[in-house]
Order: sequence, then structure tokens, then C-alpha cells
Amino acid sequence: EDQVTQSPEALRLQEGESSSLNCSYTVSGLRGLFWYRQDPGKGPEFLFTLYSAGEEKEKERLKATLTKKESFLHITAPKPEDSATYLCAVQARGQGGKLIFGQGTELSVKP
Amino acid sequence: GAVVSQHPSWVICKSGTSVKIECRSLDFQATTMFWYRQFPKQSLMLMATSNEGSKATYEQGVEKDKFLINHASLTLSTLTVTSAHPEDSSFYICSANGQGLVSNYGYTFGSGTRLTVV
Repeated sequence: EDQVTQSPEALRLQEGESSSLNCSYTVSGLRGLFWYRQDPGKGPEFLFTLYSAGEEKEKERLKATLTKKESFLHITAPKPEDSATYLCAVQARGQGGKLIFGQGTELSVKP
Repeated sequence: GAVVSQHPSWVICKSGTSVKIECRSLDFQATTMFWYRQFPKQSLMLMATSNEGSKATYEQGVEKDKFLINHASLTLSTLTVTSAHPEDSSFYICSANGQGLVSNYGYTFGSGTRLTVV
């Protein structure tokens, strides 16, 4: 069964304190892994798509990496405005556009 | 590019009535749209996949007669919650993708609809 597990469930950081969020997945043929940011009461906002092990993508203070079993979202020198829930999702081959989401990591960055 | 508009943002309805939620792709054509449901502090659960011009495909456990999905054009899908009850109160979100856009834009999500049934 295809499955996505994110850790930690919640993460509290001080402004400037770098850290990483983990997304472990089990899927029968990975077609793509997606990272989203979701603010309370809003729809998910796209961050990255990763397709193959070894791939990395960066955007401002965020960097996403992918291995055959997991993905990391590294946050460098976070700011309070980075506070949000970060969602990881996988798309399996042969499943059309269906995404399987993890439970999310709720990030809080204090000034 | 790849903008999805969802309306309404929130709706309150009486138990037993029906509510329609619209999802539009504004700057691309979406042959497939997806409807998710999200409970507080929980992740997104796929309810159904909506294909333009054909019947929607529902996930196991989702009632087809309660959650009616119509995808009449390449830019519009609707979800109608029929005979709503308080347990249907939730956050409903749609998503869509355009051909060739997934790499740069992912599956684009609407802003969500908060449904409260009283």
C-alpha cells in the first residue's frame, strides 16, 4: 500500500535556527514527490516537484532533496513568515494525478 | 500561470439542504480535477477524480449520491453536497493540473471552501 509519513508532526524554531523536515514514502513506482505549504484556512501552495533520487530544488530559504525512500525539506535561517504546515505528497505510476498526502509538519518560527 | 479559483470561500447551510462548490481553472485547461476533504489538523483526503465529459471516479468510502461531481467543461468542475448534515462540515479543496505544467506548478489547488452545516 502506498504510504507517506512526515516527521516531526510539529516543529518550533527560533528565527534563524535552521532545520529539516522529513517525508518518508512507500510507493509502487514513484512518478513524482511534491512539497506544499499550507496556511490556516487556505489551500496548499506549491513549492517543489521532485522526480528522481538525487534531485534537489531550491527556492529562497527552502531546499528539497529526494532519495529512494525519503525526501527532506531543509529550511535555512527561517523567518516568522515561514510558519505554516508543510505537506508532502507522492504520485504513483499508473494512478493518474492522484496524490497521497502525508499528515504534514506544522512549523512555528518565533522571532 | 496555473491558477485555480474556488468559490465560495465559506458557506453555512441548514441541515437537509444542498450546497454547490465551484472550481475553475483560470489560465489553463484541466481535463482532470480532484476534490479533497480536510478535517482540522489533518491532511488532505482525496474524495474523487473528476474527468471532463465523463463520470467522476470516487475513492472507496465516498458516497456518490451525497457528493455529486460534474465536470462539464475543461475549466469548470462542481461539487454538490446533497442533503447536507453536520457531519459533512469540513474544508473542501479542489485541485487541477494542466498538461506540461506539473513540473513547474505542481497540482494547483484552490483556496478551499469551509462548509458548516447547522
